Amino acid sequence: KQEVTQIPAALSVPEGENLVLNCSFTDSAIYNLQWFRQDPGKGLTSLLLIQSSQREQTSGRLNASLDKSSGRSTLYIAASQPGDSATYLCAVMLPGGGNKLTFGTGTQLKVEL
Amino acid sequence: GAVVSQHPSWVICKSGTSVKIECRSLDFQATTMFWYRQFPKQSLMLMATSNEGSKATYEQGVEKDKFLINHASLTLSTLTVTSAHPEDSSFYICSARSLHYEQYFGPGTRLTVT
Repeated sequence: KQEVTQIPAALSVPEGENLVLNCSFTDSAIYNLQWFRQDPGKGLTSLLLIQSSQREQTSGRLNASLDKSSGRSTLYIAASQPGDSATYLCAVMLPGGGNKLTFGTGTQLKVEL
Repeated sequence: GAVVSQHPSWVICKSGTSVKIECRSLDFQATTMFWYRQFPKQSLMLMATSNEGSKATYEQGVEKDKFLINHASLTLSTLTVTSAHPEDSSFYICSARSLHYEQYFGPGTRLTVT
């Protein structure tokens, strides 16, 4: 059974700092991995999707990497801003799994002024 | 981009009553939709996979007779919580899978059972 873990569970940083969020998964045979953002009481916003054949994806200040063999992904946020404060979730999709996503435990990020 | 809506955004109901939550893909067709629940400060837990025109597939431990799912069209899936109890209070989120296999999430429905 696929298990997805995110470290740290919570993180507080001053504005402007670069930071890294970690995601690890137990079954390396994934189809893709996605990073999402969730604001309190809201749904999910997709940030980046990395296919299993890719090693990284970039969007603006965000960069996500994937090391499938070691079961790890990182989300790098450059020059953090208070508006980045949210919970960040990673999710993996297994091939042939009916496109079901298994979500990680989440990292709650707070960027302070 | 693809938009998924949910209705209602929040609902309060009395114990023993049933509540229906709608999930709609607004600008694309979704043969598959997913229903998740999320407890406070926890991650999303997949409840069931909803396929248009066929029965939903429920995850282990999810009661299919309690959480009725209907996917009658390519743009609409509904989740009905039957005989709701306070422990069913949660945040319910749906997602819709596009033809390109990306999932787009709805804004969620906050259910409170009193």
